[in-house]
Amino acid sequence: TQLLEQSPQFLSIQEGENLTVYCNSSSVFSSLQWYRQEPGEGPVLLVTVVTGGEVKKLKRLTFQFGDARKDSSLHITAAQPGDTGLYLCAGDTSGGGADGLTFGKGTHLIIQP
Amino acid sequence: GAVVSQHPSRVICKSGTSVKIECRSLDFQATTMFWYRQFPKQSLMLMATSNEGSKATYEQGVEKDKFLINHASLTLSTLTVTSAHPEDSSFYICSARQGGYEQYFGPGTRLTVT
Repeated sequence: TQLLEQSPQFLSIQEGENLTVYCNSSSVFSSLQWYRQEPGEGPVLLVTVVTGGEVKKLKRLTFQFGDARKDSSLHITAAQPGDTGLYLCAGDTSGGGADGLTFGKGTHLIIQP
Repeated sequence: GAVVSQHPSRVICKSGTSVKIECRSLDFQATTMFWYRQFPKQSLMLMATSNEGSKATYEQGVEKDKFLINHASLTLSTLTVTSAHPEDSSFYICSARQGGYEQYFGPGTRLTVT
Protein backbone atom coordinates (compact mmCIF):
# COMPACT_ATOMS: atom_id res chain seq x y z
CA THR A 1 0.00 0.00 0.00
CA GLN A 2 1.40 3.36 -1.04
CA LEU A 3 1.64 5.93 1.70
CA LEU A 4 1.54 9.66 1.31
CA GLU A 5 2.80 11.59 4.29
CA GLN A 6 1.36 15.06 4.43
CA SER A 7 2.63 17.73 6.80
CA PRO A 8 1.78 19.65 8.78
CA GLN A 9 -1.58 18.18 9.70
CA PHE A 10 -2.73 21.42 11.31
CA LEU A 11 -1.59 24.96 10.67
CA SER A 12 -2.97 28.21 12.01
CA ILE A 13 -1.33 31.44 10.87
CA GLN A 14 -2.09 35.10 10.55
CA GLU A 15 -3.37 36.73 7.41
CA GLY A 16 -0.54 37.87 5.17
CA GLU A 17 1.93 35.17 6.19
CA ASN A 18 3.37 32.56 3.83
CA LEU A 19 3.13 28.82 4.32
CA THR A 20 4.19 25.55 2.76
CA VAL A 21 2.50 22.17 2.90
CA TYR A 22 4.50 19.06 2.10
CA CYS A 23 3.51 15.72 0.65
CA ASN A 24 6.11 12.93 0.72
CA SER A 25 6.25 9.29 -0.26
CA SER A 26 8.66 6.47 -0.91
CA SER A 27 6.65 5.59 -4.01
CA VAL A 28 6.94 7.13 -7.45
CA PHE A 29 3.75 8.70 -8.75
CA SER A 30 2.78 9.13 -12.38
CA SER A 31 0.78 12.16 -11.32
CA LEU A 32 -0.08 13.99 -8.16
CA GLN A 33 -3.10 16.11 -7.51
CA TRP A 34 -3.85 18.74 -4.91
CA TYR A 35 -7.39 19.21 -3.71
CA ARG A 36 -9.17 21.53 -1.34
CA GLN A 37 -12.14 20.25 0.64
CA GLU A 38 -14.73 22.23 2.59
CA PRO A 39 -16.66 20.55 5.44
CA GLY A 40 -19.48 18.37 4.14
CA GLU A 41 -18.41 18.71 0.52
CA GLY A 42 -16.36 16.75 -1.97
CA PRO A 43 -12.76 17.67 -2.78
CA VAL A 44 -12.24 20.28 -5.47
CA LEU A 45 -9.27 19.83 -7.78
CA LEU A 46 -6.68 22.60 -7.60
CA VAL A 47 -3.89 21.27 -9.80
CA THR A 48 -2.36 18.17 -11.35
CA VAL A 49 1.40 17.78 -11.68
CA VAL A 50 2.86 15.13 -13.92
CA THR A 51 6.46 15.92 -14.82
CA GLY A 52 9.31 15.65 -12.30
CA GLY A 53 10.46 19.13 -11.30
CA GLU A 54 7.28 20.70 -12.59
CA VAL A 55 6.11 23.95 -11.02
CA LYS A 56 2.59 25.27 -11.46
CA LYS A 57 1.14 28.51 -10.18
CA LEU A 58 -2.47 29.29 -9.40
CA LYS A 59 -2.65 32.93 -8.28
CA ARG A 60 -0.99 32.93 -4.82
CA LEU A 61 -0.59 29.15 -4.77
CA THR A 62 2.56 27.50 -6.10
CA PHE A 63 2.74 23.74 -6.58
CA GLN A 64 5.92 21.81 -7.14
CA PHE A 65 6.50 18.17 -8.06
CA GLY A 66 9.80 16.67 -6.94
CA ASP A 67 12.37 15.64 -9.52
CA ALA A 68 11.93 11.98 -8.58
CA ARG A 69 8.13 12.30 -8.58
CA LYS A 70 7.95 11.10 -4.98
CA ASP A 71 7.11 14.37 -3.27
CA SER A 72 5.27 17.61 -3.79
CA SER A 73 4.72 20.89 -2.05
CA LEU A 74 2.09 23.60 -1.96
CA HIS A 75 3.21 27.12 -1.11
CA ILE A 76 0.73 29.87 -0.37
CA THR A 77 1.92 33.47 -0.46
CA ALA A 78 0.23 36.17 1.60
CA ALA A 79 -2.43 33.84 2.97
CA GLN A 80 -5.96 35.17 3.27
CA PRO A 81 -8.88 34.02 5.45
CA GLY A 82 -10.53 32.65 2.30
CA ASP A 83 -7.68 30.14 2.04
CA THR A 84 -8.95 28.39 5.18
CA GLY A 85 -9.80 24.77 4.50
CA LEU A 86 -8.56 21.20 4.24
CA TYR A 87 -5.85 20.68 1.64
CA LEU A 88 -5.29 17.15 0.35
CA CYS A 89 -2.59 15.72 -1.82
CA ALA A 90 -3.35 12.57 -3.77
CA GLY A 91 -1.10 10.38 -5.86
CA ASP A 92 -1.70 8.09 -8.79
CA THR A 93 0.69 5.24 -9.57
CA SER A 94 -1.20 3.69 -12.47
CA GLY A 95 0.58 5.54 -15.25
CA GLY A 96 -2.59 6.80 -16.84
CA GLY A 97 -5.10 7.59 -14.16
CA ALA A 98 -6.78 4.21 -14.33
CA ASP A 99 -6.41 3.53 -10.62
CA GLY A 100 -7.92 5.28 -7.68
CA LEU A 101 -5.97 7.90 -5.83
CA THR A 102 -3.99 7.47 -2.64
CA PHE A 103 -4.69 10.43 -0.40
CA GLY A 104 -2.57 12.04 2.25
CA LYS A 105 -4.19 12.70 5.61
CA GLY A 106 -4.67 16.34 4.75
CA THR A 107 -3.61 19.68 6.16
CA HIS A 108 -6.18 21.65 8.09
CA LEU A 109 -5.32 25.28 7.39
CA ILE A 110 -6.74 28.21 9.34
CA ILE A 111 -5.93 31.75 8.34
CA GLN A 112 -6.78 34.21 11.07
CA PRO A 113 -7.72 37.75 10.09
CA GLY B 1 -17.17 21.51 -17.16
CA ALA B 2 -16.40 18.21 -15.40
CA VAL B 3 -19.30 18.29 -12.97
CA VAL B 4 -20.16 15.25 -10.91
CA SER B 5 -23.36 14.95 -8.91
CA GLN B 6 -24.42 12.59 -6.15
CA HIS B 7 -27.83 11.70 -4.86
CA PRO B 8 -28.94 11.76 -2.15
CA SER B 9 -26.76 14.26 -0.31
CA ARG B 10 -27.89 12.92 3.04
CA VAL B 11 -29.65 9.73 4.02
CA ILE B 12 -30.65 8.21 7.34
CA CYS B 13 -31.62 4.57 7.42
CA LYS B 14 -32.30 1.89 9.98
CA SER B 15 -29.87 -0.87 10.71
CA GLY B 16 -30.40 -3.86 8.43
CA THR B 17 -31.81 -1.93 5.50
CA SER B 18 -30.11 -1.16 2.18
CA VAL B 19 -29.29 2.23 0.73
CA LYS B 20 -28.46 3.17 -2.86
CA ILE B 21 -26.29 6.16 -3.74
CA GLU B 22 -26.09 7.49 -7.29
CA CYS B 23 -23.11 9.17 -8.91
CA ARG B 24 -23.51 10.96 -12.24
CA SER B 25 -21.09 12.77 -14.51
CA LEU B 26 -23.22 15.60 -15.84
CA ASP B 27 -21.24 17.03 -18.73
CA PHE B 28 -18.81 14.32 -19.73
CA GLN B 29 -18.58 10.59 -20.22
CA ALA B 30 -16.61 8.92 -17.46
CA THR B 31 -14.42 6.03 -18.49
CA THR B 32 -13.89 5.15 -14.88
CA MET B 33 -15.66 6.02 -11.66
CA PHE B 34 -14.34 5.59 -8.16
CA TRP B 35 -15.95 5.31 -4.75
CA TYR B 36 -14.29 6.63 -1.62
CA ARG B 37 -15.25 6.70 2.04
CA GLN B 38 -14.29 9.38 4.51
CA PHE B 39 -14.71 9.10 8.27
CA PRO B 40 -14.80 12.24 10.46
CA LYS B 41 -11.46 14.02 10.72
CA GLN B 42 -9.89 11.52 8.33
CA SER B 43 -8.85 11.51 4.72
CA LEU B 44 -10.48 9.74 1.81
CA MET B 45 -10.02 6.00 1.45
CA LEU B 46 -10.56 4.32 -1.90
CA MET B 47 -13.21 1.60 -1.76
CA ALA B 48 -13.53 0.47 -5.36
CA THR B 49 -12.86 1.25 -8.99
CA SER B 50 -15.67 0.90 -11.49
CA ASN B 51 -15.50 0.72 -15.28
CA GLU B 52 -18.62 0.86 -17.41
CA GLY B 53 -19.95 -2.55 -18.25
CA SER B 54 -17.55 -4.54 -16.14
CA LYS B 55 -17.29 -5.69 -12.55
CA ALA B 56 -15.91 -3.29 -10.00
CA THR B 57 -12.48 -3.80 -8.49
CA TYR B 58 -12.56 -3.57 -4.72
CA GLU B 59 -9.75 -2.50 -2.43
CA GLN B 60 -8.45 -4.90 0.16
CA GLY B 61 -10.73 -5.04 3.17
CA VAL B 62 -13.83 -3.78 1.36
CA GLU B 63 -16.61 -6.37 1.24
CA LYS B 64 -17.90 -6.65 -2.31
CA ASP B 65 -21.12 -8.32 -1.16
CA LYS B 66 -21.85 -5.50 1.21
CA PHE B 67 -20.98 -2.60 -1.08
CA LEU B 68 -22.56 -3.40 -4.43
CA ILE B 69 -21.41 -1.25 -7.33
CA ASN B 70 -23.16 -1.02 -10.66
CA HIS B 71 -21.74 1.05 -13.52
CA ALA B 72 -24.55 0.82 -16.02
CA SER B 73 -23.53 3.65 -18.33
CA LEU B 74 -20.71 6.08 -18.99
CA THR B 75 -22.46 8.68 -16.86
CA LEU B 76 -23.90 6.69 -13.98
CA SER B 77 -22.51 4.53 -11.21
CA THR B 78 -24.42 3.37 -8.14
CA LEU B 79 -23.23 2.17 -4.75
CA THR B 80 -25.64 0.09 -2.68
CA VAL B 81 -24.82 -0.43 0.97
CA THR B 82 -26.59 -3.66 1.87
CA SER B 83 -27.70 -4.62 5.37
CA ALA B 84 -26.32 -1.38 6.71
CA HIS B 85 -24.99 -1.17 10.25
CA PRO B 86 -24.08 1.85 12.39
CA GLU B 87 -20.39 1.33 11.61
CA ASP B 88 -21.19 1.94 7.93
CA SER B 89 -22.13 5.51 8.79
CA SER B 90 -19.73 7.68 6.87
CA PHE B 91 -19.30 10.23 4.10
CA TYR B 92 -19.32 8.45 0.74
CA ILE B 93 -17.78 10.33 -2.19
CA CYS B 94 -17.58 9.30 -5.82
CA SER B 95 -15.25 10.60 -8.48
CA ALA B 96 -15.18 10.30 -12.24
CA ARG B 97 -12.32 10.27 -14.70
CA GLN B 98 -12.79 11.71 -18.14
CA GLY B 99 -9.72 10.15 -19.68
CA GLY B 100 -6.77 12.04 -18.27
CA TYR B 101 -5.12 12.00 -14.89
CA GLU B 102 -7.66 14.18 -13.15
CA GLN B 103 -10.51 12.86 -11.05
CA TYR B 104 -13.52 15.06 -10.45
CA PHE B 105 -15.36 14.49 -7.23
CA GLY B 106 -19.02 14.59 -6.38
CA PRO B 107 -20.33 16.55 -3.39
CA GLY B 108 -20.59 13.43 -1.24
CA THR B 109 -23.39 11.56 0.52
CA ARG B 110 -23.65 11.56 4.30
CA LEU B 111 -24.98 8.17 5.41
CA THR B 112 -26.23 7.73 8.96
CA VAL B 113 -27.35 4.29 10.07
CA THR B 114 -29.42 4.23 13.25
